[in-house]
Amino acid sequence: EPEVTQTPSHQVTQMGQEVILRCVPISNHLYFYWYRQILGQKVEFLVSFYNNEISEKSEIFDDQFSVERPDGSNFTLKIRSTKLEDSAMYFCASTMRGASYGYTFGSGTRLTVV
Amino acid sequence: RKEVEQDPGPFNVPEGATVAFNCTYSNSASQSFFWYRQDCRKEPKLLMSVYSSGNEDGRFTAQLNRASQYISLLIRDSKLSDSATYLCVVNPKTSYDKVIFGPGTSLSVIP
Repeated sequence: EPEVTQTPSHQVTQMGQEVILRCVPISNHLYFYWYRQILGQKVEFLVSFYNNEISEKSEIFDDQFSVERPDGSNFTLKIRSTKLEDSAMYFCASTMRGASYGYTFGSGTRLTVV
Repeated sequence: RKEVEQDPGPFNVPEGATVAFNCTYSNSASQSFFWYRQDCRKEPKLLMSVYSSGNEDGRFTAQLNRASQYISLLIRDSKLSDSATYLCVVNPKTSYDKVIFGPGTSLSVIP
């Protein structure tokens, strides 16, 4: 069964440092997403990406965040200057036909900011 | 009112029991509905989409009541492997390219 792959599985970083979280969506999917889940809280939408541009973003996705699909296979989330409150599980998801059709999620990257 | 609300749980049920989860959503124009399950510290996994006429997949039955803005999930003959958090998920019509997750309801199936 096709998978969404995320690396690394766990990243520890110092406050103020930049981090890049990587995702390889399912190859024939066209819509890509980042969600995050702070421990003990619900899954929250960050950003959606289609046709090489952001289609929607949440209030959480401020200027410190950016996404990129540099080579047609990887989909990355960059946080420029991490804060303690960025500590969370970050999930990448993809779908062939948009949010109305259900997502396949990757196994997530646990980001710990110290 | 929160966008998607669920029974907080936890639900602790014996093997073989029938358990029902409820969910309400605030945006009457919402167009797509799903149930996901999430195991501890794992990614959400799509369990089933929810259709207006209701739908069934083995031991799982989902119902949608658009007038009441209410979604349900029924699990029959619970198995130990059903222990997880069940997430109600809604695609609001105001936004076509994201979904909103409910806080989840925790289920523990006890031997």
